[in-house]
Amino acid sequence: DAKTTQPPSMDCAEGRAANLPCNHSTISGNEYVYWYRQIHSQGPQYIIHGLKNNETNEMASLIITEDRKSSTLILPHATLRDTAVYYCIVRPPETGNQFYFGTGTSLTVIP
Amino acid sequence: DAEITQSPRHKITETGRQVTLACHQTWNHNNMFWYRQDLGHGLRLIHYSYGVQDTNKGEVSDGYSVSRSNTEDLPLTLESAASSQTSVYFCASSVGLTATEAFFGQGTRLTVV
Repeated sequence: DAKTTQPPSMDCAEGRAANLPCNHSTISGNEYVYWYRQIHSQGPQYIIHGLKNNETNEMASLIITEDRKSSTLILPHATLRDTAVYYCIVRPPETGNQFYFGTGTSLTVIP
Repeated sequence: DAEITQSPRHKITETGRQVTLACHQTWNHNNMFWYRQDLGHGLRLIHYSYGVQDTNKGEVSDGYSVSRSNTEDLPLTLESAASSQTSVYFCASSVGLTATEAFFGQGTRLTVV
């Protein structure tokens, strides 16, 4: 169920902002955008989610375009521990967490 | 602290054998999920459950079964293990139908020889 498109890999310098893009041109009006990440060999970890407005929490910021066809996850000050695969997922809220993961973006933070 | 645990963490089995992977969560979450992860495919949903006695098929359910006899556990059974089922398996749970966050276990690496 490939509803999102992400670049397969990205690099970011330590201490700089990491901007991870996601295209979801077929998103429906009630579908949220979720971001998870998976650090090597561990289970995925929730980062943030949003519907229309930009969102920020202690981990990251989520910027959603006005037409909602794309979004960007921003890690404001990337550290080596942020090296992981980042998954962008769209789904309606009532499906009880049937998250369908794509192949994500492999982010490498470089010292 | 509440948590979700999977066992075993690693298992090697032979083709044709029945294998059961355990998943136990102590959050009292209604929803539980099983995923498998293979190189080049990301995570794919196998089965899921919204509560006791409820089970549903995901996108790659052939050859797998689950049962939900209590809130805490969702064991995943491979009826007759095949080499194509060599993978890393993740269990997850979430609190309700509109929950936004799923919590994942640490995974079970299964090798079928």
